[in-house]
Amino acid sequence: SAVISQKPSRDICQRGTSLTIQCQVDSQVTMMFWYRQQPGQSLTLIATANQGSEATYESGFVIDKFPISRPNLTFSTLTVSNMSPEDSSIYLCSVYDSYNEQFFGPGTRLTVL
Amino acid sequence: RKEVEQDPGPFNVPEGATVAFNCTYSNSASQSFFWYRQDCRKEPKLLMSVYSSGNEDGRFTAQLNRASQYISLLIRDSKLSDSATYLCVVKTDRGFQKLVFGTGTRLLVSP
Repeated sequence: SAVISQKPSRDICQRGTSLTIQCQVDSQVTMMFWYRQQPGQSLTLIATANQGSEATYESGFVIDKFPISRPNLTFSTLTVSNMSPEDSSIYLCSVYDSYNEQFFGPGTRLTVL
Repeated sequence: RKEVEQDPGPFNVPEGATVAFNCTYSNSASQSFFWYRQDCRKEPKLLMSVYSSGNEDGRFTAQLNRASQYISLLIRDSKLSDSATYLCVVKTDRGFQKLVFGTGTRLLVSP
């Protein structure tokens, strides 16, 4: 199984600021996925990050709001820009391992005041 | 209509009980099916894949009915440690294979 770490594990931010979440994987992976889990809701895919190309965003999510970097095969960042209370959520990074099973990082719990 | 629908529960059962969760999905082109478990304030973890012929892993049995677009999970001899939210997950081909999550069914097993 893949081992995934995320930083920060949690944060409380002011409205209008931005937060960058880091995701580190213990092995090289082609695709990294960023999900959001809003309170009481299930997981929703934000975007897919491929190394060396722009991220692919799902309907309802845009690059200006959620810019993503993928500088190498083991690391990615997701930035939540110009935050509002509606962005309060858990943000999870995810990858497929060599057995094509999808694993999730521990998540970043974001609260926007 | 949501792509993956589940009864949110909670299901309150005593230890030792048998409990079944159901899930329906709307995309007939869905290719793979899974049950994930999510403990409170933790990330989801794969519980088991669901195969067309049905499959069993210890106390857990998963069934798939492609004609009805219906997935089930049966837990026998419930343990306190089974208390969690169980997420029905469907993989579809959107150019790449994407996981679509149900909202989850919460299970509470009591002594």
